[in-house]
Amino acid sequence: SQTIHQWPATLVQPVGSPLSLECTVEGTSNPNLYWYRQAAGRGLQLLFYSVGIGQISSEVPQNLSASRPQDRQFILSSKKLLLSDSGFYLCAWRVLGYTDTQYFGPGTRLTVL
Amino acid sequence: AQTVTQSQPEMSVQEAETVTLSCTYDTSENNYYLFWYKQPPSRQMILVIRQEAYKQQNATENRFSVNFQKAAKSFSLKISDSQLGDTAMYFCAFIAGTASKLTFGTGTRLQVTL
Repeated sequence: SQTIHQWPATLVQPVGSPLSLECTVEGTSNPNLYWYRQAAGRGLQLLFYSVGIGQISSEVPQNLSASRPQDRQFILSSKKLLLSDSGFYLCAWRVLGYTDTQYFGPGTRLTVL
Repeated sequence: AQTVTQSQPEMSVQEAETVTLSCTYDTSENNYYLFWYKQPPSRQMILVIRQEAYKQQNATENRFSVNFQKAAKSFSLKISDSQLGDTAMYFCAFIAGTASKLTFGTGTRLQVTL
């Protein structure tokens, strides 16, 4: 069965510091991978998605970036965090032709102070 | 552009009762999928139920069922025999067949009480 992991679960960072959030998927090959952000009390906003290694599409221009160095690994990064980057970050996977459903990881709660 | 609207920000239901959460959507696509996700206090997004637009039969998963009205672009979720563990935010979501983006509604906060 497929599982999705996110690391870390919680993170508190000062403004201006770098960021690296990791997402890994097990039990499937060539998944589509997604990064979403959820501000407190609000819905989900798609940040990035990837259909393959090295292929990244950005939905919202901002100081965040994403990379996919391996088939089942998706990384969200920033060189300098802003206060507005605080939120709950969710990674999701989907395999076209197998399911049209996106399955989510447990999330990372990021607080920028 | 696709939009998803959830008009009920908060709802409350007593344990063992039935509750219906509303969702409407707008799209020009003919091939699409609809979902209800549950977000408990842990904040992980959990799939509750999915519906393919080409299927006329309403989807059912145990105590959860949907009323899918394609012409009206309506996709409501019915929870029967509500349990305390059903307390959560519920998000309606939509994806067109060829798209990558899952469009979410703003959510309905459901509280199940004794």
